[in-house]
Amino acid sequence: GQNIDQPTEMTATEGAIVQINCTYQTSGFNGLFWYQQHAGEAPTFLSYNVLDGLEEKGRFSSFLSRSKGYSYLLLKELQMKDSASYLCAVKDSNYQLIWGAGTKLIIKP
Amino acid sequence: DTAVSQTPKYLVTQMGNDKSIKCEQNLGHDTMYWYKQDSKKFLKIMFSYNNKELIINETVPNRFSPKSPDKAHLNLHINSLELGDSAVYFCASSNRVSGANVLTFGAGSRLTVL
Repeated sequence: GQNIDQPTEMTATEGAIVQINCTYQTSGFNGLFWYQQHAGEAPTFLSYNVLDGLEEKGRFSSFLSRSKGYSYLLLKELQMKDSASYLCAVKDSNYQLIWGAGTKLIIKP
Repeated sequence: DTAVSQTPKYLVTQMGNDKSIKCEQNLGHDTMYWYKQDSKKFLKIMFSYNNKELIINETVPNRFSPKSPDKAHLNLHINSLELGDSAVYFCASSNRVSGANVLTFGAGSRLTVL
């Protein structure tokens, strides 16, 4: 079966750095996405990786290793507004998105 | 202007009733989706339409019927509502031909079946 694993919940301190991991087992791979979802709101797109390596976008970076079936989202200089769920999703060989359950990130002052 | 708008935002209804959720996108995207997010926060694809044609129809009860009158609209009709249908339903759209095929989601419709 297809599977996306990410930690259920993480806690970090304002101003710090946090890394949210995602491992996947899917039938084929055509890209990996990270979305942010604040409580009670819609998911919004953060990043897309299709080749190995690090993609940096301001305070957020996303890394991919296709051989390991692994990605992480790195958030720097954490702000209170970064408290949200972070969803990892993989596009499989049929170009369908397989979603993880999300990691709830709690930021403490 | 809201890119993907869905109505209603909240829906409380009795078991056995029939209800509809409407979705419209003004992004010019060619593909629209309905997702269900349950209490465990998993996002599950229900349906996908590309240029008004059904391309994904996951295993959902046939009480759920999508209708796409044009490529900017995808409505969801649910017959004979059951308690287990309580969830947040998200509409989304994307340009399937683009490389990343990034989804833009609506704000969600929270359905509560009593």
